[in-house]
Amino acid sequence: GIQVEQSPPDLILQEGANSTLRCNFSDSVNNLQWFHQNPWGQLINLFYIPSGTKQNGRLSATTVATERYSLLYISSSQTTDSGVYFCAVEGGGGADGLTFGKGTHLIIQP
Amino acid sequence: SQTIHQWPATLVQPVGSPLSLECTVEGTSNPNLYWYRQAAGRGLQLLFYSVGIGQISSEVPQNLSASRPQDRQFILSSKKLLLSDSGFYLCARKGNTEAFFGQGTRLTVV
Repeated sequence: GIQVEQSPPDLILQEGANSTLRCNFSDSVNNLQWFHQNPWGQLINLFYIPSGTKQNGRLSATTVATERYSLLYISSSQTTDSGVYFCAVEGGGGADGLTFGKGTHLIIQP
Repeated sequence: SQTIHQWPATLVQPVGSPLSLECTVEGTSNPNLYWYRQAAGRGLQLLFYSVGIGQISSEVPQNLSASRPQDRQFILSSKKLLLSDSGFYLCARKGNTEAFFGQGTRLTVV
């Protein structure tokens, strides 16, 4: 199956800093999503981005499908950005389910 | 809206007891439905997926089973729980593009 690697595994930043999270995947995909898991465990959809670039407020994401990686950018970090960020991909026919990376644990200090 | 209902939110069960977790979705017909498990606070593992009533695919052989008795209902079951079944269980639905997750059930087997 598809392998998903996220880096860095942990990241500690001061409020106001910018960050870049990376996701590498081992095969072609027809779905790539970024999620933020809040302290209660809920997975919040950030981006559906199998290719191209999207922006939503302070967050943006870019996927370069031909080179099999995606980047999540967080600008002007706030303490509420803390949590675990997951990249997940799906290949094949599109019904097989997402394969998740192990996540990046982000801590934003005030 | 396309809401996903999961219950209960938390559950403590003794070893050897049965399990039934229910997931229902609203606002969509014939969705693809999924059960995931998250252990040790990192990484989600796909357990089962279903593309229609009575159609179940298992990703990992284990002590659990799934059923889809109705189009918008997906049930995760076990006849006898093991300590290793503890974890955070999430139901997800997917249409043509991105997947969305329910709020999860935190299961502790004691």
